[in-house]
Amino acid sequence: GIQVEQSPPDLILQEGANSTLRCNFSDSVNNLQWFHQNPWGQLINLFYIPSGTKQNGRLSATTVATERYSLLYISSSQTTDSGVYFCAVDPDGDSWGKLQFGAGTQVVVTP
Amino acid sequence: KAGVTQTPRYLIKTRGQQVTLSCSPISGHRSVSWYQQTPGQGLQFLFEYFSETQRNKGNFPGRFSGRQFSNSRSEMNVSTLELGDSALYLCASSSKTFGTDPYEQYFGPGTRLTVT
Repeated sequence: GIQVEQSPPDLILQEGANSTLRCNFSDSVNNLQWFHQNPWGQLINLFYIPSGTKQNGRLSATTVATERYSLLYISSSQTTDSGVYFCAVDPDGDSWGKLQFGAGTQVVVTP
Repeated sequence: KAGVTQTPRYLIKTRGQQVTLSCSPISGHRSVSWYQQTPGQGLQFLFEYFSETQRNKGNFPGRFSGRQFSNSRSEMNVSTLELGDSALYLCASSSKTFGTDPYEQYFGPGTRLTVT
């Protein structure tokens, strides 16, 4: 099956710093999403980005489907950015609602 | 538009009991997927329903089952609970209808199940 690898596993940032999270996947996908899981467990949609570049405020994401990776950029980080960031892909292209998740990147933003 | 809702939010059960969790999708979404999240295994897909039919299933034992109603609300049931079933159970909905539809999944707040 498809492998989804996220790096780094952990990231500690000082407030105001910028960072890049990476998601590598081992096969072609037709769906890629980035999520932020808050301390209460809720998965919050950040981007639906099977290809191309998107921006939403201080966050942006780029997926290069031909090279099988996606990047999530956090600029001017804030303490509210703390949490776990997940990348998830549709492993089959015709998988009827199944997302394969990476192990996540735990982000801690310190004041 | 209201988001995905799940009930109950927290549940404590004893080994051997069974449990039923409920999920109401975003209005208009007919696809509902269920996931289990544990510290050791991460987020794992359980099953997906569309129009009251299970279309996809993950690698879980038969003790895990689900169903979907005509209003797209879904329930999942775990019978003969084991300690290892303690987890956060997440439900997601999407507007996906056909296999090749592009889609975005939206998640509910989850049900945290503790088995003692």
